[in-house]
Amino acid sequence: DTAVSQTPKYLVTQMGNDKSIKCEQNLGHDTMYWYKQDSKKFLKIMFSYNNKELIINETVPNRFSPKSPDKAHLNLHINSLELGDSAVYFCASSPWGLSGANVLTFGAGSRLTVL
Amino acid sequence: DQQVKQNSPSLSVQEGRISILNCDYTNSMFDYFLWYKKYPAEGPTFLISISSIKDKNEDGRFTVFLNKSAKHLSLHIVPSQPGDSAVYFCAALGGADGLTFGKGTHLIIQP
Repeated sequence: DTAVSQTPKYLVTQMGNDKSIKCEQNLGHDTMYWYKQDSKKFLKIMFSYNNKELIINETVPNRFSPKSPDKAHLNLHINSLELGDSAVYFCASSPWGLSGANVLTFGAGSRLTVL
Repeated sequence: DQQVKQNSPSLSVQEGRISILNCDYTNSMFDYFLWYKKYPAEGPTFLISISSIKDKNEDGRFTVFLNKSAKHLSLHIVPSQPGDSAVYFCAALGGADGLTFGKGTHLIIQP
């Protein structure tokens, strides 16, 4: 049983298209995240949702829109894809109140390639 | 502005020897530090953590040392095993953005 699962694993698309990446966790966690790992290998937080409510929203273009239909799901929709959006996107979850004891559990990542 | 820095992109160590991965940070507000391990095509997995009130935490072959005055932490793996070959991310907690990650160090264990 995968704790944090995200689909698709690989996504190749043309510039200007709209695409979505889905994420689901079966850990009963209250908080979910989207991280982006770019070509420089930095893992940077994009969004965080706690029980369907947005709590962290980094400086991300508004072409990126997260949607959390329930606390077990956090989907990422990207409009008008650009070359610079090519990256690996990781979904993660944690119990509420992130601390050293409440660590992040990551999905396997979704590699997006924009041509 | 890199608040968490891992200055060695890669490190090669012989099997059975000690692996030492280093991490520096700049934000004094960080109060918890974690190491994550990542295999290719998988997400990072939690390895070990340390609170800022401690200077050492040990878990089996893995030990993390924290030097607050130097804003430096290190992960020691001894003895190193082939399965330890992976990318290791240092991460820090205490800012407003949840976990802040370094760029990672690719550890290669040679037979």
